[in-house]
Amino acid sequence: DAEITQSPRHKITETGRQVTLACHQTWNHNNMFWYRQDLGHGLRLIHYSYGVQDTNKGEVSDGYSVSRSNTEDLPLTLESAASSQTSVYFCASSAARTGELFFGEGSRLTVL
Amino acid sequence: AQSVTQLGSHVSVSEGALVLLRCNYSSSVPPYLFWYVQYPNQGLQLLLKYTSAATLVKGINGFEAEFKKSETSFHLTKPSAHMSDAAEYFCAVPLEGGADGLTFGKGTHLIIQP
Repeated sequence: DAEITQSPRHKITETGRQVTLACHQTWNHNNMFWYRQDLGHGLRLIHYSYGVQDTNKGEVSDGYSVSRSNTEDLPLTLESAASSQTSVYFCASSAARTGELFFGEGSRLTVL
Repeated sequence: AQSVTQLGSHVSVSEGALVLLRCNYSSSVPPYLFWYVQYPNQGLQLLLKYTSAATLVKGINGFEAEFKKSETSFHLTKPSAHMSDAAEYFCAVPLEGGADGLTFGKGTHLIIQP
């Protein structure tokens, strides 16, 4: 079965360190997205990509970057982790023009 | 920008009672509207999707939602709540201009009282 996997599922890091969260999908979807989930804020879009070499900023992109070198992967990088980036991060993918997103299980990041 | 508002961050109902979770979208009619459910420590999964083909949409686990243009609403209902319905529920619309991707509401935590 096709799926979308995130790693690591849990990570603790220190302020100022660079962190990369991996996202891999086997749906062969062109679209991939990164969201963060925080109490009282729901899910907010960080970055997204509509295909290889395409990346776009979302609502809360400051301090984050992504790159898309193939269809299957969209890693999310925190250049210099801050305590405000402690959150649960979700990766999702979708086929073009269908609307429906398929989500990974999430990565819980704690920045101390 | 297109957005959705979910009224009530927490909703508590008794087992067997009607479930009503409220969602209102901003003024322009979106091409799609979604409800997603998130069980504890899991990702989101699709509950149902509105595509303008029918105003009453049936989803999984006995849930349904009715699109009402006059009220800019897309409320989620279930006639009889079950303990297993306890979860976080999110309403969502496409990104600005109907671009691929979704903007989510802040979520409603559904609590089921035995």
